[in-house]
Amino acid sequence: QSVLTQPPSVSGAPGQRVTITCTGSSSNIGAGNEAHWYQQLPGTAPKLLIYSNNNRPSGVPDRFSGSTSGTSASLAITGLQALDEADYYCQSYDSSLRGYVFGAGTKVSVL
Amino acid sequence: QVQLQESGPGLVKPSQTLSLTCTVSGDSINSGSYYYNWIRQPAGKGLEWIGHIYTTDGDITYNPSLKSRVTISLDMSKKQFSLKLSSVTAADTAVYYCATLKYDAFDIWGQGTVVTVSS
Repeated sequence: QSVLTQPPSVSGAPGQRVTITCTGSSSNIGAGNEAHWYQQLPGTAPKLLIYSNNNRPSGVPDRFSGSTSGTSASLAITGLQALDEADYYCQSYDSSLRGYVFGAGTKVSVL
Repeated sequence: QVQLQESGPGLVKPSQTLSLTCTVSGDSINSGSYYYNWIRQPAGKGLEWIGHIYTTDGDITYNPSLKSRVTISLDMSKKQFSLKLSSVTAADTAVYYCATLKYDAFDIWGQGTVVTVSS
């Protein structure tokens, strides 16, 4: 069981907006430790999508955005495209476990 | 821009030690300060952080759940860092990634290497 909880899957039609929530606790996101998001296409390594809650690395489209509230973080994808079909993982640092933790991942499907 | 490449045996027998190396290119391992990490992912499952080593002072931190079996080391002359995981079982079968850490996020990843534990 992962320390950070994500829905197993979300789906949307092309052009729509989807949101993935990552629920943590008072020892990770709720403690002020930042949330980060990764996109993993089939058969490839994860790619950093959002860092420090709401920052996009160079080259990541502004269709992707992140936010946090309390013990949770969210990733929003607007203008959903077929190429967005992938697994998405949230990650943070857990002060109690003294280590980096991931969510179990959310599979995004484009209908 | 740093680039990372994992290498090592793809098959390890149960109870033996898994040994992997990550080679750093595109930037000098001797310049700047980096946290070099190991992360693994069993087939069809999520990601698990194994541990990291800090290039500036060699400080090492391990995932508490694996700490008793893990050793991470750094060879700056070869521009490599390594992972050893002892007493492996089938549960250690996974894709193993090396990655750098920046702002507490894993910003650069290797392509990953598949390790299967089987007799």
